[in-house]
Amino acid sequence: KQEVTQIPAALSVPEGENLVLNCSFTDSAIYNLQWFRQDPGKGLTSLLLIQSSQREQTSGRLNASLDKSSGRSTLYIAASQPGDSATYLCAVRSQGGKLIFGQGTELSVKP
Amino acid sequence: GAVVSQHPSWVICKSGTSVKIECRSLDFQATTMFWYRQFPKQSLMLMATSNEGSKATYEQGVEKDKFLINHASLTLSTLTVTSAHPEDSSFYICSASSGGSLGTNEKLFFGSGTQLSVL
Repeated sequence: KQEVTQIPAALSVPEGENLVLNCSFTDSAIYNLQWFRQDPGKGLTSLLLIQSSQREQTSGRLNASLDKSSGRSTLYIAASQPGDSATYLCAVRSQGGKLIFGQGTELSVKP
Repeated sequence: GAVVSQHPSWVICKSGTSVKIECRSLDFQATTMFWYRQFPKQSLMLMATSNEGSKATYEQGVEKDKFLINHASLTLSTLTVTSAHPEDSSFYICSASSGGSLGTNEKLFFGSGTQLSVL
């Protein structure tokens, strides 16, 4: 059974700092991994999708890496801003097309 | 990008009543949609996979008679919480793939969620 874990559960940083969010999964037989952002009481916004054959994806200040063999992914946020404050979720697409989510990292960027 | 519309965004109901939540893909056809629930400070838990024209597939521990799913068209899936009780209070989110049929390498797009509060 696929399990996804995110560390840390919460993170508070000053504005401008670079940061890394971690995601690990137990079953390396995945199709892809996706990072999402969720604002309080809202739905999900897809940030980056990494296919199982890829090592990383970049979008603006965001960079996501994938090491499928070790079951790990990281989301790197450069020059963080208060508007980046949200909960970040990683999810892996496993057999049957199901998307299994981690518990999320609650990020707070202080001005 | 693809848009998934979910309504209502919030609902308050009395215990024992039924509540219907709609999930629509606005600019694409979705053969398969997924329903999740999320408790405060917790992650999304998959409840069921909704397939157009056939019965939904429920995850272990999810009562199919409690959470009725209907996927009657390629753009609409509904989740009905029957005889709701306070423990059903949660945030419910739907998602759909932008592919015509579910491909495992496609992005999933999510609705904005429905906050259900049962008194």
